[in-house]
Amino acid sequence: KQEVTQIPAALSVPEGENLVLNCSFTDSAIYNLQWFRQDPGKGLTSLLLIQSSQREQTSGRLNASLDKSSGRSTLYIAASQPGDSATYLCAVEGTGANNLFFGTGTRLTVIP
Amino acid sequence: DAGVTQSPTHLIKTRGQHVTLRCSPISGHKSVSWYQQVLGQGPQFIFQYYEKEERGRGNFPDRFSARQFPNYSSELNVNALLLGDSALYLCASSLARGEQYFGPGTRLTVT
Repeated sequence: KQEVTQIPAALSVPEGENLVLNCSFTDSAIYNLQWFRQDPGKGLTSLLLIQSSQREQTSGRLNASLDKSSGRSTLYIAASQPGDSATYLCAVEGTGANNLFFGTGTRLTVIP
Repeated sequence: DAGVTQSPTHLIKTRGQHVTLRCSPISGHKSVSWYQQVLGQGPQFIFQYYEKEERGRGNFPDRFSARQFPNYSSELNVNALLLGDSALYLCASSLARGEQYFGPGTRLTVT
């Protein structure tokens, strides 16, 4: 069964700092990997999707990388802002059924 | 263009009762999935429906059931509610495969 782990569980940084969130998964047979943002008590907002054949995706200040063979992905956030404060979730879709397996998330706080 | 919508937003039920949650996918999306997220955890997969057929089921008891309608909207039903069913229930829609788009969720509290 696919297991997804996110480290660290929580992170607090001063505004303007660059940061990296980590995600690891146990089964490398994935169809894609998605990074989501979740504000307290709200739904999930899709940030980036990386297909299994891709190495990275970029959107604005966000860059996500994927190393399928080692079962790792990173989300890089440049020049962090207080509005980036949220929980960031990593999810993988297997090659069989297309349900997502989620990590428990990294709670990010950006201090003004 | 409207995103994924869910109703109701919040719901309070008593143990033993039954609840129905509703989801409307993004126009053109034929796949709907349901997830349960308890506080402090990542979402857990419950069901996936595609073209009105069940395509996947997570590790949830038979008290949980779902269906998809001809217009691709979906209902999640939970019978004999337990305190442990209190959670945020999320609906996601997608094309057959690929990027999934989530709704705002329904917060269910069982007392």
